[in-house]
Amino acid sequence: RKEVEQDPGPFNVPEGATVAFNCTYSNSASQSFFWYRQDCRKEPKLLMSVYSSGNEDGRFTAQLNRASQYISLLIRDSKLSDSATYLCVVNLGSGNQFYFGTGTSLTVIP
Amino acid sequence: DAMVIQNPRYQVTQFGKPVTLSCSQTLNHNVMYWYQQKSSQAPKLLFHYYDKDFNNEADTPDNFQSRRPNTSFCFLDIRSPGLGDAAMYLCATSVPGGQGDTQYFGPGTRLTVL
Repeated sequence: RKEVEQDPGPFNVPEGATVAFNCTYSNSASQSFFWYRQDCRKEPKLLMSVYSSGNEDGRFTAQLNRASQYISLLIRDSKLSDSATYLCVVNLGSGNQFYFGTGTSLTVIP
Repeated sequence: DAMVIQNPRYQVTQFGKPVTLSCSQTLNHNVMYWYQQKSSQAPKLLFHYYDKDFNNEADTPDNFQSRRPNTSFCFLDIRSPGLGDAAMYLCATSVPGGQGDTQYFGPGTRLTVL
């Protein structure tokens, strides 16, 4: 079983739509959770860190459900510029290894 | 200001010809990572350093070696590149310790093997 699993998509949504991605992780000892955004042929860039139950940053909301071992990312009022691959990343906290999901592809359509 | 720098950004090499990719950081972070990322796949960890301590992933081929001469620099050596080694190679850094440690990625080096 993979450490981190994501629905690869693709998600194709119209501008202005709300879209949500889920990510599940296998190790209940996981401590740190992150969403990264990766544009085509570029490096991953940190979008949000997810602490305790979750946090919000503008149009983006991340939530953590420890009981069910998943994190989610909600994007409201989608913009064309939100088109990218969104990577879910988990860290056990006791070591230096970060586990990546395969990413979810989002395309926002005019 | 760039915090994690990778050189070169694009590298073309011939099958079997050794190549070295470079990473430097201005963050003074303890941990440095090398990832391989192929198209439409997640980054795959090759190895990482915690200070001078080297940690190799079990499935990293022997063809891949690394050096970290000091805190700021880390090198990835591919001794005999094969066609299957063509990929984006990402360097990242982090500061370990509890919640909140995040990774900072360099822009990557795209390797082409002819």
